[in-house]
Amino acid sequence: DQQVKQNSPSLSVQEGRISILNCDYTNSMFDYFLWYKKYPAEGPTFLISISSIKDKNEDGRFTVFLNKSAKHLSLHIVPSQPGDSAVYFCAAITVIQGAQKLVFGQGTRLTINP
Amino acid sequence: DGGITQSPKYLFRKEGQNVTLSCEQNLNHDAMYWYRQDPGQGLRLIYYSQIVNDFQKGDIAEGYSVSREKKESFPLTVTSAQKNPTAFYLCASSMLGGRTEAFFGQGTRLTVV
Repeated sequence: DQQVKQNSPSLSVQEGRISILNCDYTNSMFDYFLWYKKYPAEGPTFLISISSIKDKNEDGRFTVFLNKSAKHLSLHIVPSQPGDSAVYFCAAITVIQGAQKLVFGQGTRLTINP
Repeated sequence: DGGITQSPKYLFRKEGQNVTLSCEQNLNHDAMYWYRQDPGQGLRLIYYSQIVNDFQKGDIAEGYSVSREKKESFPLTVTSAQKNPTAFYLCASSMLGGRTEAFFGQGTRLTVV
């Protein structure tokens, strides 16, 4: 049961344009969402997060949008740069019986073309 | 400086042997997690722990065991019961009491030969 889904395994964008990565979730108990960036053979690094009480959070070139009614969030990167090429994971936090659990999507491989 | 250290980075195991992956953090985090990454499947949760001497099974705990004897340490043992242990293993930690990001180690690539 995949509670966090990233339906696009890969995305290719031209340098300087906007990259939009999408994520859907099924569990309405999720109340905090995060995006991570991962290079091969390394651990993921945190990019940006959003609480369920907000619909937008911005940090430099990165903006995350949350649509609670649609159970959908997206990460916008603008302008896209070659160093943005990586795998991006969407994640959600829920609390089960007092234990905080972090659930990840399958990831989207972003390639920025010069 | 603070962070999460996983060791070793690469590990080879003969089929039928148990192996233990190390994870140490000096961030004073209460929560620690183990994930497994396979191609095209993202990060799947194996075990997680909120406090010392307590841990919970994640989505794919079969064939794995953990311990949490110290706040800083959360070792993962891959037992011979794990049918397909070759994967990239990631350890993470986070604070409790609020919604915050988890920090990850650099991972351990386990290969069964």
